[in-house]
Amino acid sequence: GNSVTQMEGPVTLSEEAFLTINCTYTATGYPSLFWYVQYPGEGLQLLLKATKADDKGSNKGFEATYRKETTSFHLEKGSVQVSDSAVYFCALTLAYNQGGKLIFGQGTELSVKP
Amino acid sequence: GAVVSQHPSWVICKSGTSVKIECRSLDFQATTMFWYRQFPKQSLMLMATSNEGSKATYEQGVEKDKFLINHASLTLSTLTVTSAHPEDSSFYICSARRTDSPLHFGNGTRLTVT
Repeated sequence: GNSVTQMEGPVTLSEEAFLTINCTYTATGYPSLFWYVQYPGEGLQLLLKATKADDKGSNKGFEATYRKETTSFHLEKGSVQVSDSAVYFCALTLAYNQGGKLIFGQGTELSVKP
Repeated sequence: GAVVSQHPSWVICKSGTSVKIECRSLDFQATTMFWYRQFPKQSLMLMATSNEGSKATYEQGVEKDKFLINHASLTLSTLTVTSAHPEDSSFYICSARRTDSPLHFGNGTRLTVT
């Protein structure tokens, strides 16, 4: 079946540290991949996306590259800020249902300390 | 600004009563909306796909008589939790697809059943 697996949290970092949150997926067909961020008490916001292999999504200093060979879409940021503290979800949707039904990973909580 | 509005943002109800949650797409028409449920510290679980003018499609294990979904117009879908019990307490999130763009999520509704 189709699924997304993320590294377990919580992840605690100091401000300006380098961030990596691992995400791997299993899918039939050719999925589009997403990272969503959820701040406390809020819904989800799209952070970045990639729709085909080798695409790099980027936004607000975050980056993730669609790696078909390793079925991965790891999230990275060179220097985190306290305001980046949130829960991050990796997700996929299949090409035939573009932008529709999303399958989420379990989420990774990030806590950035000053 | 927000493109999907969800109301109420939080609600407390007594066991046995019903609660209605609204999801509105702002300034765009959404033929399809999705309802998710999120338990504390866990991922989002898709409950159902709401289709304008037709019956909702429920995911396996979701009680359709318990979680009534009505998509009466192109901008409004409602989720009614009928005869709510404490185990229905959760964070409910809707999303809608805007043409040629990824899903937009509402800010969620925190339901507490006492």
